[in-house]
Amino acid sequence: EVQLVESGGGLVQPGGSLRLSCATSGFTFSDHYMDWVRQAPGKGLEWVGRTRNRANSYTTEYAASAKGRFTISRDDSRNSLYLQMNSLNTEDTAVYYCTRVRSSSWSGSFSDYWGQGTLVTVSS
Amino acid sequence: DIQLTQSPSFLSASIGDRVTITCRASQGISNYLAWYQQKPGKAPKLLMYVAATLQSGVPSRFSGSGSGTEFTLTISSLQPEDFATYYCQQHNSYPLTFGGGTKVEIK
Repeated sequence: EVQLVESGGGLVQPGGSLRLSCATSGFTFSDHYMDWVRQAPGKGLEWVGRTRNRANSYTTEYAASAKGRFTISRDDSRNSLYLQMNSLNTEDTAVYYCTRVRSSSWSGSFSDYWGQGTLVTVSS
Repeated sequence: DIQLTQSPSFLSASIGDRVTITCRASQGISNYLAWYQQKPGKAPKLLMYVAATLQSGVPSRFSGSGSGTEFTLTISSLQPEDFATYYCQQHNSYPLTFGGGTKVEIK
């Protein structure tokens, strides 16, 4: 059974930093691209970014809102995904979801499994 | 960036109704569109991908169609468990983007 479990959310002051983790199991983590998606309270879904797999040099893509402030990384030996968030502001308040990308082709470039999410609140 | 516009944003329907949700892309995305269902307090769940392929385990009353810039998600006979918010997502180019969502409520 595929499982994705996020952790690391919490309350942080504006300008602060936070690192989210996503522990995975039930599939070959190293084969898959992985995404972060967020959802502000009462709002829709927003794609944050992606890390590709080793075969694609672990390269990353980011939404404009995340570029330069957020860094996605992974540790294939631990089957884990990370999101380092710096220079946080109130607009970053959201539930952050870790998701598995079906495959590396564009036809499979969607999230087929999602974690339960972790809430990040940016407030003074 | 590719903008996705969902309509309607809110829909009130009865059990057994046929429901159609539309997703329009600001530029052509071939058939690289996914649909998700989200219930309150839960993570989204994949329903459909490449516009018309049903994810394993999703009931056959859900169907998808479209190509290019216009797509639809249809529920042939609405069931109590289908009351939720539905999102489309394009997986054609970066940044990936989502539609604004369609909330389906009980009439």
